[in-house]
Amino acid sequence: EAQVTQNPRYLITVTGKKLTVTCSQNMNHEYMSWYRQDPGLGLRQIYYSMNVEVTDKGDVPEGYKVSRKEKRNFPLILESPSPNQTSLYFCASSLRQLTYEQYFGPGTRLTVT
Amino acid sequence: RKEVEQDPGPFNVPEGATVAFNCTYSNSASQSFFWYRQDCRKEPKLLMSVYSSGNEDGRFTAQLNRASQYISLLIRDSKLSDSATYLCVVIINAGNNRKLIWGLGTSLAVNP
Repeated sequence: EAQVTQNPRYLITVTGKKLTVTCSQNMNHEYMSWYRQDPGLGLRQIYYSMNVEVTDKGDVPEGYKVSRKEKRNFPLILESPSPNQTSLYFCASSLRQLTYEQYFGPGTRLTVT
Repeated sequence: RKEVEQDPGPFNVPEGATVAFNCTYSNSASQSFFWYRQDCRKEPKLLMSVYSSGNEDGRFTAQLNRASQYISLLIRDSKLSDSATYLCVVIINAGNNRKLIWGLGTSLAVNP
């Protein structure tokens, strides 16, 4: 089944404790991205990747890192999480950059205390 | 002015009603347009692309008005299962790349 998977789905952590949210797609898509969704602010792009080893900042990259060592995986790293990073995070992929349908993972609900 | 604007609603309609949402965009160079559907606390999913000539998929009709810079989504014969948030998405050219701009969504509740 074609899908985007994210782990973990739910995470409660404390300020400053490094964490990684994994994202994997099995559709051989070139383009992958991370979003956060907050009430009243909608979906905002954090980082995106056009292909392996090619990543770039989205609209709200501060406090986040990403890597794209393999085509299928695009982990999101929070080196020192803070409470303002409490949010619902979505990973998405598409065949190429944005022209095609975006496939989203199920989301990761992160709470930083 | 926001790049993509939607009436947040909520729209409360009875089953069987026809309901329409509009989405306005500010960048006249916008290239591609989509409607996504998002159920509560779940991931967005593509509902339909919006073509210049307008397009229909079952009970759903999408239209584009470039002159007035808006797209619309019409839902006929509303079902309870249509209750969701509908997100308007616009793709614009940003330098050498394309950029996806998301609306905040319009909430629809279809009531028995």
